[in-house]
Amino acid sequence: EAGVTQFPSHSVIEKGQTVTLRCDPISGHDNLYWYRRVMGKEIKFLLHFVKESKQDESGMPNNRFLAERTGGTYSTLKVQPAELEDSGVYFCASSQLNPRQDTQYFGPGTRLTVL
Amino acid sequence: LAKTTQPISMDSYEGQEVNITCSHNNIATNDYITWYQQFPSQGPRFIIQGYKTKVTNEVASLFIPADRKSSTLSLPRVSLSDTAVYYCLVGDAWAGNNRKLIWGLGTSLAVNP
Repeated sequence: EAGVTQFPSHSVIEKGQTVTLRCDPISGHDNLYWYRRVMGKEIKFLLHFVKESKQDESGMPNNRFLAERTGGTYSTLKVQPAELEDSGVYFCASSQLNPRQDTQYFGPGTRLTVL
Repeated sequence: LAKTTQPISMDSYEGQEVNITCSHNNIATNDYITWYQQFPSQGPRFIIQGYKTKVTNEVASLFIPADRKSSTLSLPRVSLSDTAVYYCLVGDAWAGNNRKLIWGLGTSLAVNP
């Protein structure tokens, strides 16, 4: 079974540009999460999809970040326009719906560098 | 969600047993305890999860005392490939489908030859 995949693995852009990150969850996983780790800090929750619906987006930093999950399969996270402080590693995780204990499976992450 | 405290780093040698203790003094009745492992340039990987007493799988054991205010991840006979960051997390089993994970800085384990 394929795991969670993320694309690209690395992205280097200039301040003000737009970047779109993609996450393909494990097939059949309705829960999809985005997390981010800024260098030297803890991994932070960004948002959570259940199928195509946003369940919790309390961790999204500001309105420059837009996440979508059309059709309830893969998800994209767009940063527009990118700022220096957006640099970090963006992780995506997926899990099955409604188990009593939630095991999240993580992708390898996308390392974003904003210059 | 309960906050967790772990040692920043630990050192060990190949073949030794490693125990990493995590404090979660404010753990709630609903909370369960989960440990993740992360290698450089990879995403976190689930290791083990438990609510109370002892849980064992093919990778590790998790010891949880009766008061549940701490937990200990035990890695038997570590090898160089166990060098990684280990995270202890506490989550609400009754949170419905809102299972966002709250992370600390983890424990950086270095296994030496």
